[in-house]
Amino acid sequence: ETGVTQTPRHLVMGMTNKKSLKCEQHLGHNAMYWYKQSAKKPLELMFVYNFKEQTENNSVPSRFSPECPNSSHLFLHLHTLQPEDSALYLCASSQTLAGEYEQYFGPGTRLTVT
Amino acid sequence: RKEVEQDPGPFNVPEGATVAFNCTYSNSASQSFFWYRQDCRKEPKLLMSVYSSGNEDGRFTAQLNRASQYISLLIRDSKLSDSATYLCAVGRDGQNFVFGPGTRLSVLP
Repeated sequence: ETGVTQTPRHLVMGMTNKKSLKCEQHLGHNAMYWYKQSAKKPLELMFVYNFKEQTENNSVPSRFSPECPNSSHLFLHLHTLQPEDSALYLCASSQTLAGEYEQYFGPGTRLTVT
Repeated sequence: RKEVEQDPGPFNVPEGATVAFNCTYSNSASQSFFWYRQDCRKEPKLLMSVYSSGNEDGRFTAQLNRASQYISLLIRDSKLSDSATYLCAVGRDGQNFVFGPGTRLSVLP
């Protein structure tokens, strides 16, 4: 199994739907991250978990709800999204809270909100 | 001033050319530095770490200039397959990375 996997790879949802994105890392890392990347924009850090504890919530709207049941799995629960939330959502992991250690990314979920 | 800045480009260069990108950072406490490559509609992939002494991996050379607070990436003998966006990432102990906005490179035949 490759390093960081994400499912689904593509998701189309209406504004009233509820869906979840899943991320799994097989690298034995302890820190996991959610990023948002909109078209032609830089990466935006959303959430950080270190040893399953959330260490950062980068002023993300409450319609995005993260969950980290263990160091290998990370979820992003979505509800009542807006069209401007359409973007590539990337999960990443690192050995511990980054700064010293490189991050490895999953392939991302391309989300379209209609 | 943004914490990490890059020239957005695009840099359009012919095959075989040498091209260099810079990435400037504002926090002098930054300790770790990385270059990532991101292909269109794909995830960023780690290209190389940047060490104080500089490092080289084939056609790619990374340098760190702490005094002027920038890192650089030099690509020699550019290939068509080098076309991508190059992101720098800057970190410090216990803090999250800050990614630059990326520099787009197009290598032309």
